[in-house]
Amino acid sequence: AQKITQTQPGMFVQEKEAVTLDCTYDTSDPSYGLFWYKQPSSGEMIFLIYQGSYDQQNATEGRYSLNFQKARKSANLVISASQLGDSAMYFCAMRIGGTGNQFYFGTGTSLTVIP
Amino acid sequence: NAGVTQTPKFQVLKTGQSMTLQCAQDMNHEYMSWYRQDPGMGLRLIHYSVGAGITDQGEVPNGYNVSRSTTEDFPLRLLSAAPSQTSVYFCASSAILAGVGNEQFFGPGTRLTVL
Repeated sequence: AQKITQTQPGMFVQEKEAVTLDCTYDTSDPSYGLFWYKQPSSGEMIFLIYQGSYDQQNATEGRYSLNFQKARKSANLVISASQLGDSAMYFCAMRIGGTGNQFYFGTGTSLTVIP
Repeated sequence: NAGVTQTPKFQVLKTGQSMTLQCAQDMNHEYMSWYRQDPGMGLRLIHYSVGAGITDQGEVPNGYNVSRSTTEDFPLRLLSAAPSQTSVYFCASSAILAGVGNEQFFGPGTRLTVL
């Protein structure tokens, strides 16, 4: 069965510090994609970063990087130099090629950046 | 380019009423999906479609119907609303040409309350 697990319901980080949001996944399909989305209090879903299962290098997008450890089935999001605007819910998601291209979402982590 | 649009933004129904949530995208995406978001449960897939005339059930399909007569539109029908369907509903779309590497684009959401 496909599953995404986010074990941190809430996290706090000091402004300008780095923070890691955890995500583990489970699938037997060799082809999959891992995504992180941000949901601010306004409610919209914002795509942040993507990592493919065959990618050799960790993905980076500005202050976001994805720490991909395939053997451990983890895809942690690292936010560097946190800003007040980073306060939001963060969702990890997985897309499986062999199941109709479905996305599976974790339950999310609420991040609060403290000034 | 409007992206993914959803109407209405807010809706209040009485138990037993039916209604249709509208979703449209102008990106020519093959894949469209409906999610519901409840506190602490992340996004759960209701139904999805990989092209016009093709739909399939997700994790929580009971009480909902969908159809996909065009590439652009993917309406979600609540057959007989129940209080358990009080939630925020998101429509999303993505391409599937590049397989698992395509991210989903989300609509702004519909906040539904069933009394």
